[in-house]
Amino acid sequence: DAKTTQPTSMDCAEGRAANLPCNHSTISGNEYVYWYRQIHSQGPQYIIHGLKNNETNEMASLIITEDRKSSTLILPHATLRDTAVYYCIVRVRSGGSNYKLTFGKGTLLTVNP
Amino acid sequence: NAGVTQTPKFQVLKTGQSMTLQCAQDMNHNSMYWYRQDPGMGLRLIYYSASEGTTDKGEVPNGYNVSRLNKREFSLRLESAAPSQTSVYFCASSEGGSSNQPQHFGDGTRLSIL
Repeated sequence: DAKTTQPTSMDCAEGRAANLPCNHSTISGNEYVYWYRQIHSQGPQYIIHGLKNNETNEMASLIITEDRKSSTLILPHATLRDTAVYYCIVRVRSGGSNYKLTFGKGTLLTVNP
Repeated sequence: NAGVTQTPKFQVLKTGQSMTLQCAQDMNHNSMYWYRQDPGMGLRLIYYSASEGTTDKGEVPNGYNVSRLNKREFSLRLESAAPSQTSVYFCASSEGGSSNQPQHFGDGTRLSIL
């Protein structure tokens, strides 16, 4: 399985961009990178995913390096409500056409006033 | 649009009691999943159902059974609850197959076993 490495915690000032890094050096060519977040033990919330191109949606941007060994999730203007644990996940095939997500411990992002 | 609905939200059981956690999705997804999350840990996959009529073990299946009742519903059963099964349980669903669309999660069931 492709494993991911994330910092345990990060801080960000409210209104500034939050840049969350993730290393996935063993990723295979057809494996997607997904980002989720979890706010105070609520259900994980999907943020964004990508394969090799940079992606942007209403929540965040995802920058994937050209060699695909790392990525960065960018929250352009962090708010206090963005305080959460952020998970970077590489989706791997679990058999046949099935895939699975393996959650690590993620990065606790704290947005400070 | 409810997404993924889990019931109950909270439950306290005594050791040895049985219980079924319910999950339903309204997104016409093919695949459904059950995870557990213990304090300070990421989610761990218990069982999944790639499509209606199929179920497969995940990372931590011991002590659990599942039923894919129909395309919408996927239940998780504890036949004889143990304190080690105290956890927060999350259900998720996705299009499945070769689709890269993400899994969507419910709000969880917080289960305490005394």
